[in-house]
Parts: sequence; C-alpha cells; structure tokens
Amino acid sequence: QVQLQESGPGLVKPSQTLSLTCTVSGGSISSGGYYWSWIRQHPGKGLEWIGYIYYSGSTYYNPSLKSRVTISVDTSKNQFSLKLSSVTAADTAVYYCARGSMIVVVNAFDIWGQGTMVTVSS
Amino acid sequence: QSALTQPRSVSGSPGQSVTISCTGTSSDVGGYNYVSWYQQHPGKAPKLMIYDVSKRPSGVPDRFSGSKSGNTASLTISGLQAEDEADYYCCSYAGSPVFGGGTKLTVL
Repeated sequence: QVQLQESGPGLVKPSQTLSLTCTVSGGSISSGGYYWSWIRQHPGKGLEWIGYIYYSGSTYYNPSLKSRVTISVDTSKNQFSLKLSSVTAADTAVYYCARGSMIVVVNAFDIWGQGTMVTVSS
Repeated sequence: QSALTQPRSVSGSPGQSVTISCTGTSSDVGGYNYVSWYQQHPGKAPKLMIYDVSKRPSGVPDRFSGSKSGNTASLTISGLQAEDEADYYCCSYAGSPVFGGGTKLTVL
C-alpha cells in the first residue's frame, strides 16, 4: 500500500528556508487523482493546511502562507518537496505530508506520513 | 479562511455515544458536501475516519458516523471504546481545505 515518509533538517535558523521532502512508496505519484499535500501542526495545536501539488506541477497554497511557500514535485524520484522561506519561531511545528484524494476537488487526506518535527531556533 | 469551530473537549463512558460538532459557514461546511474527520492519537499522524460528510473509508468501524445540517457537521461515535480516546479534527473544502481546532475525546 502507499506510504509517505518526510525527511529534512529538524532544526532551522530564523530567516532561513525550511526544506522538506516527502518520498512516496508503494505507488506512483504520477498515477493521477491525487494532490500531494503538506500540512503542519504547531505544538499542542490544531492542523493547518500549507498547500498541495498535482503530479503535473499545478499548485495551490494557503493564502496566509502563499508568499513564503513553494511546493515542487519530482516524478522521477516519486517525491514532492516543501520550501518555506524567511522562517520564524512561529513556524516551529510538526510537518506532515499527506495524499489528498480528488474526484472533483480534494475532499479528504487519506494517507499521511508519520510527521517530522521542525524547530526554528538560532 | 477562519478555522472551523469545534468544542475543545467531550467525554463519555464506555458503551455510550458521543457527538462532536464542527461549525462553519455557508462558504465551507454549509456550501459543500466535502467534510472529513480525522482521529489523532498522541504522537501519531492523523487518520481519516469520515469523508464526504458521512462516508467511511475501508477499515473504519461503523461505530463512527458523520452527518451535516446547515453549517454544522457532526461526528458521532457509538459504543465508545477506550481506544477511541484521541483528538478529532474536522476539515471542510472552502475553495481550499480548512480544519477545525480539534476536540479532545476522553473515555471515562
């Protein structure tokens, strides 16, 4: 079955760029019908959608983060990535990658990675 | 986009039923039949429990059910079990996804 795994630095300095990668196994990222997503959870808080990408490269971002977020896809490696620029302590969170299932719109996130904690600190 | 409103906590005894509400607006919950619910145990990733308001993914017990009335969606868990104790989040399509603040379910 499809599995997702996040990877990347657990510590990022303020003002720098947070970079994470999600590797998809057990299925092809190019199979269509899914938007590949990033979602974060601040410590002790709720979930916040960051954005998602289709295998073709079409992206959608949370308006509140749009100016700092870039999501890209590498179909040859079956991976998609997140870059969040100009980070502050407020970006400290657990970052999840997830598969967004789509019929007309993305109606649910049916598979999640285990999550990776990213701390922003000098 | 404003987060959907959920009660911070609910509780119930084993065997009882509990309902968790998720209130939005006509621009999200009330405007689309794309409400999903997620269960999250401490230190774990969220798990999809309900999608499209009331559909259950394969493997989710039928003790979990979803519904919607106007701008409020609800998740009902019947026959509460100890392992149901977790945080629950709703999510609605609103042009893009928006989550609720989460509800902590305690099984007494």
